[in-house]
Amino acid sequence: DAKTTQPNSMESNEEEPVHLPCNHSTISGTDYIHWYRQLPSQGPEYVIHGLTSNVNNRMASLAIAEDRKSSTLILHRATLRDAAVYYCILRDVQGTYKYIFGTGTRLKVLA
Amino acid sequence: DAGVTQSPTHLIKTRGQQVTLRCSPKSGHDTVSWYQQALGQGPQFIFQYYEEEERQRGNFPDRFSGHQFPNYSSELNVNALLLGDSALYLCASSRTGEPFYEQYFGPGTRLTVT
Repeated sequence: DAKTTQPNSMESNEEEPVHLPCNHSTISGTDYIHWYRQLPSQGPEYVIHGLTSNVNNRMASLAIAEDRKSSTLILHRATLRDAAVYYCILRDVQGTYKYIFGTGTRLKVLA
Repeated sequence: DAGVTQSPTHLIKTRGQQVTLRCSPKSGHDTVSWYQQALGQGPQFIFQYYEEEERQRGNFPDRFSGHQFPNYSSELNVNALLLGDSALYLCASSRTGEPFYEQYFGPGTRLTVT
């Protein structure tokens, strides 16, 4: 199973952009990159996913390095409600259904 | 749409006892996965059920077993509880048949073993 490495914690000021990095140097060609976040006292929720190209949705943007060995989740304007643990997950679409979570990055948003 | 629901919310058991946790998937979903989340850790995959069969299993002992019913709801059973089984148990549902599937997680059941 391919592994991901994330910083334990990060801080951001409210209404400023946040860049959450993830390293996945052992990624394979069939691994999708997923980001989920877990708000306090809730189950994880989907944020965004990608394979090779950068992706945008209403919640965030995902920037994937050309060699795919790292990616960055971008929150364009952090709000207090974005304070959560953010998980970067790889999932091989061929032959596995499990998501392997690391310990994630705890994002603190300062008012 | 109620989303993924789990019951009970909290549970306290004694070592050696058995426990059953329940999960109802989001409407339209046919696949249920179970995860264990210890305090301060990310969720760990226990197993996934599809078409009433265990499709994939993580690194958990046989004390952990499950079931999926024809209506796609699922149960997680843990026998011979240990103190180390204290955790948040998360259920996630999804729809099989796509290369990417978004998992919807329930709020979890907090199990405390004393």
